[in-house]
Amino acid sequence: DAGITQSPRHKVTETGTPVTLRCHQTENHRYMYWYRQDPGHGLRLIHYSYGVKDTDKGEVSDGYSVSRSKTEDFLLTLESATSSQTSVYFCAISEPGLAGLNEQFFGPGTRLTVL
Amino acid sequence: TQLLEQSPQFLSIQEGENLTVYCNSSSVFSSLQWYRQEPGEGPVLLVTVVTGGEVKKLKRLTFQFGDARKDSSLHITAAQPGDTGLYLCAGAVNTNAGKSTFGDGTTLTVKP
Repeated sequence: DAGITQSPRHKVTETGTPVTLRCHQTENHRYMYWYRQDPGHGLRLIHYSYGVKDTDKGEVSDGYSVSRSKTEDFLLTLESATSSQTSVYFCAISEPGLAGLNEQFFGPGTRLTVL
Repeated sequence: TQLLEQSPQFLSIQEGENLTVYCNSSSVFSSLQWYRQEPGEGPVLLVTVVTGGEVKKLKRLTFQFGDARKDSSLHITAAQPGDTGLYLCAGAVNTNAGKSTFGDGTTLTVKP
């Protein structure tokens, strides 16, 4: 299994509070991703990173920010959590290479509940 | 924006039956991945297909990439309860190799 951990695994917070989720990898993969998964919506990309301090927005980036100061860590921050951000969050890593393959390896997920 | 449509959305069958799930798009992909996700866990990569018309087999699972590299199918022979899970397809294009588009998935339940 790819070495990907997420912390915390479960979190309950209140509307308006800041929340930071952490993804840590030991594979030295260049790309890291944050997705949210909700019933009926599959996996939706929030933000991704293609190197240290290099990040870009995904399809559902509003209300989220990210940072990557080291290859192994990718942080997702909800500046002011809302109930609509209640979801399961997955981190993934990949090393696409020249062939354009994008095989992703996922962490175990973080279940976030915003009351 | 590339879209991937998976069908059916839900599938419930008896142990021993065969099934096929589909992943369709109007976009051309340089590669397509299939993942399986079990409840409470992250998706796990099953296979990558790259060449149009390619067929790959993984035990009782057969994956096919369409000739035009716009669609794919997953066929399971003699399904077992252990095959239960959410099956996701994801496509990548060369122009932005670091990003994939995911389908919404097919939830498969295999009853003993």
